[in-house]
Amino acid sequence: AAGVIQSPRHLIKEKRETATLKCYPIPRHDTVYWYQQGPGQDPQFLISFYEKMQSDKGSIPDRFSAQQFSDYHSELNMSSLELGDSALYFCASSGRLAPGGETQYFGPGTRLLVL
Amino acid sequence: SQQGEEDPQALSIQEGENATMNCSYKTSINNLQWYRQNSGRGLVHLILIRSNEREKHSGRLRVTLDTSKKSSSLLITASRAADTASYFCATDTYNTDKLIFGTGTRLQVFP
Repeated sequence: AAGVIQSPRHLIKEKRETATLKCYPIPRHDTVYWYQQGPGQDPQFLISFYEKMQSDKGSIPDRFSAQQFSDYHSELNMSSLELGDSALYFCASSGRLAPGGETQYFGPGTRLLVL
Repeated sequence: SQQGEEDPQALSIQEGENATMNCSYKTSINNLQWYRQNSGRGLVHLILIRSNEREKHSGRLRVTLDTSKKSSSLLITASRAADTASYFCATDTYNTDKLIFGTGTRLQVFP
C-alpha cells in the first residue's frame, strides 16, 4: 500500500539559510500534518491542513510557513534557520471521510541538520 | 504543553516475555493511538482506540483505555527482538485532531 512520501530524507543547512521540506500524502487523504521531533524528544505538532486550508496551528515559529497545494501535497518552508531547528520533521496524513479516518499515517521523516 | 506521560521510560525484557507500557493523559480525549518508532526513524501506527472503547486487540498487541483514570496501557505478548523500539501514545480531542504525544517508552528485547 502507498505510504506518505517525504523529501528530502536528509538535509544539511547553514545557519540563516532556508529549507523546504515536501510531503506527499497517501492517495485520497485530504489532511496533512507536520510534526517536529528534537533529539530524544517526543514529536510536537506544528501545523495541519484540510482540503488545502490551514486547519490547526501548534508551536510553529514565525520563521516557518507551510501550505497544501491543489494536488494535496504540502511544503514546509523554513527560513533564517537556527541551530535549534535541527530535528526530525514528520509529515502525516489522514482521510477524514474514510473509515478509520482518524488514524494519522506518518512518513519516514526528513532529518534536518543546521550547522 | 505535554499531554501524555508514559511509564516506564525504559523497559528491558527477554524474548518471549510480555511487555506492558502505560500512558497517562490530562484532558478529555476523542481517540488514543499507539505508535512505534525504531531508532530515529518513522512512526509506525500500531492501534487506535476510541474514547468509548475499553479494550482492543491486534495480533500480539492488547490496548486498554480507562477514561476515568485518563490512562491507557499497551501490552505486547511473547515479545521478539524485533519489537525493540520506542513506543509512544498520542491523543486527540473532539476540538482538534492534532496529536499530542506522550514521552515514550524505550523497549529493549534481548534474544
